[in-house]
Amino acid sequence: KNEVEQSPQNLTAQEGEFITINCSYSVGISALHWLQQHPGGGIVSLFMLSSGKKKHGRLIATINIQEKHSSLHITASHPRDSAVYICAVQGDGGSEKLVFGKGTKLTVNP
Amino acid sequence: GAGVSQSPRYKVTKRGQDVALRCDPISGHVSLYWYRQALGQGPEFLTYFNYEAQQDKSGLPNDRFSAERPEGSISTLTIQRTEQRDSAMYRCASSFGQGNSPLHFGNGTRLTVT
Repeated sequence: KNEVEQSPQNLTAQEGEFITINCSYSVGISALHWLQQHPGGGIVSLFMLSSGKKKHGRLIATINIQEKHSSLHITASHPRDSAVYICAVQGDGGSEKLVFGKGTKLTVNP
Repeated sequence: GAGVSQSPRYKVTKRGQDVALRCDPISGHVSLYWYRQALGQGPEFLTYFNYEAQQDKSGLPNDRFSAERPEGSISTLTIQRTEQRDSAMYRCASSFGQGNSPLHFGNGTRLTVT
């Protein structure tokens, strides 16, 4: 059974701090997604990656396939980054089914 | 429209009634996914389609839940004989498919079974 574990569950930071959210999974995957869920409930896809590293603005996502681990980094965090960040993985068995982590709630204080 | 559209936005129904939730994906998106999200939890996979074909329905909790996408565009998730435990946010997402393109999520339907 594929388990997706995120840490920490909750994270509070001061504006400007560097943030790291971790995701570990237990089976082979074909892709990993990082999603952002706003306080209002909407979900936005941030990254989809299967190897290496991707960067978009202040956000960086990395994945280590051998270690079955991914990290999402936020540089120069801002209160508007406050949201729940969700990791989801797609197995390598041919289905596009995603297994989701429980999310990391980030609060950035001014 | 430009995004994934779900309707209704909110649905309150009495236990035992049937409900139908609609998802209108982004035009041209091949894949359509249904998820359920309980309060304070991450989303949970229900089922997905490529075009009109239902590829994986392993996440549907029981046979009261069904989904269809007859023309490869709009999809309907139907819950028969609703129970209180079915109360949740039901989310739809779509993508260009093949498991290698980003997901675009709708705003969801909040279902409350009383």
